Amino acid sequence: EAGVAQSPRYKIIEKRQSVAFWCNPISGHATLYWYQQILGQGPKLLIQFQNNGVVDDSQLPKDRFSAERLKGVDSTLKIQPAKLEDSAVYLCASSFHRKPTYEQYFGPGTRLTVT
Amino acid sequence: QQQVKQSPQSLIVQKGGISIINCAYENTAFDYFPWYQQFPGKGPALLIAIRPDVSEKKEGRFTISFNKSAKQFSLHIMDSQPGDSATYFCAASYGGATNKLIFGTGTLLAVQP
Repeated sequence: EAGVAQSPRYKIIEKRQSVAFWCNPISGHATLYWYQQILGQGPKLLIQFQNNGVVDDSQLPKDRFSAERLKGVDSTLKIQPAKLEDSAVYLCASSFHRKPTYEQYFGPGTRLTVT
Repeated sequence: QQQVKQSPQSLIVQKGGISIINCAYENTAFDYFPWYQQFPGKGPALLIAIRPDVSEKKEGRFTISFNKSAKQFSLHIMDSQPGDSATYFCAASYGGATNKLIFGTGTLLAVQP
């Protein structure tokens, strides 16, 4: 089966600019996650969707980050305006169900550099 | 209480040796402990996982040892191979409604031929 697709793979922007990332999960996966992975750290969950509803966005900096999952399939994550500390790899993952026994499959990520 | 502490930060092992990575947690509500493997330029991939009702789980060359009383768990890679060279992350989750994974800081493993 096809894996989780993400685009773009790399993005360089200046601080205060805006950027958007796109994710296409594995077909049939109801749960979608966005993680932020800063260099040298483990991934940190930003937001979790169940179908097109938000389950957990407690660690999403809502003053600058937003995410949506229209029609319960693809998702976009936006940052506006970007700060230097937003430089990281943004990983999208999906799972068939939100219970822990259902594996989370990760995409290759988008590496964001904010200058 | 939300943290998962992982050590060592990096590890060099000779081919055929045993690689051991350790993790510790505080939150006793955690009930699912997976290990992920990440190669450069790729997303993490699930390697093996354990629940606290068992003390050990083995899959091929990979074994998780779990010590509930000490709140520690570890990954053992037997007969380490150069292809095992990657970054390994432990994680923990208390499931429930969110299945939120809390990741450790990662261990960069290099297996020398």
